[in-house]
Amino acid sequence: GAGVSQSPSNKVTEKGKDVELRCDPISGHTALYWYRQSLGQGLEFLIYFQGNSAPDKSGLPSDRFSAERTGGSVSTLTIQRTQQEDSAVYLCASTPVAGGELFFGEGSRLTVL
Amino acid sequence: KNQVEQSPQSLIILEGKNCTLQCNYTVSPFSNLRWYKQDTGRGPVSLTIMTFSENTKSNGRYTATLDADTKQSSLHITASQLSDSASYICVVSRYTGTASKLTFGTGTRLQVTL
Repeated sequence: GAGVSQSPSNKVTEKGKDVELRCDPISGHTALYWYRQSLGQGLEFLIYFQGNSAPDKSGLPSDRFSAERTGGSVSTLTIQRTQQEDSAVYLCASTPVAGGELFFGEGSRLTVL
Repeated sequence: KNQVEQSPQSLIILEGKNCTLQCNYTVSPFSNLRWYKQDTGRGPVSLTIMTFSENTKSNGRYTATLDADTKQSSLHITASQLSDSASYICVVSRYTGTASKLTFGTGTRLQVTL
């Protein structure tokens, strides 16, 4: 596609359930980021994938959070045993080169009841 | 500590007026500074990217300035339009030698009214 695609756009789940959020980056972009944006807050870095290098997971808030990027393209962010504080917008961004301009998706809004 | 501070937190201006948003940073070593516009419920969209050697950069009615000595940047919006209502986010990039790290400001929320 022409831009970064994220799905679902909205997800409502019950506390304790697992959720998967998907990001389809722009074709050919080697780097992919996941961010979390809580209401009225700035973007919080979660994880970064660059080519075949080991991902930078330093931003993941707990071991309930994990992400993978298969074949250097699509990425999935998984949150296990969701908590209410996980409610936020999860944004994915890709860039053609490390340090380059970021292209963001529209985000996945997660609400944990 | 690597930080990006933006001011004001929020701003209301009349359509047609100009405004200036500020960004101060302590990120080091500096690689580049970016301004993004984020409409409500949407992902951020890049406005400008400036490297160390660039003092000013324009994108239509948006003009960003950078003073790398004082570690300050500003985003000037000329002849504001209702569609300029959004959050404006300042992001500073540093290169650690192995990876590019981004530090985000919390944004300035701009509302343009009639």
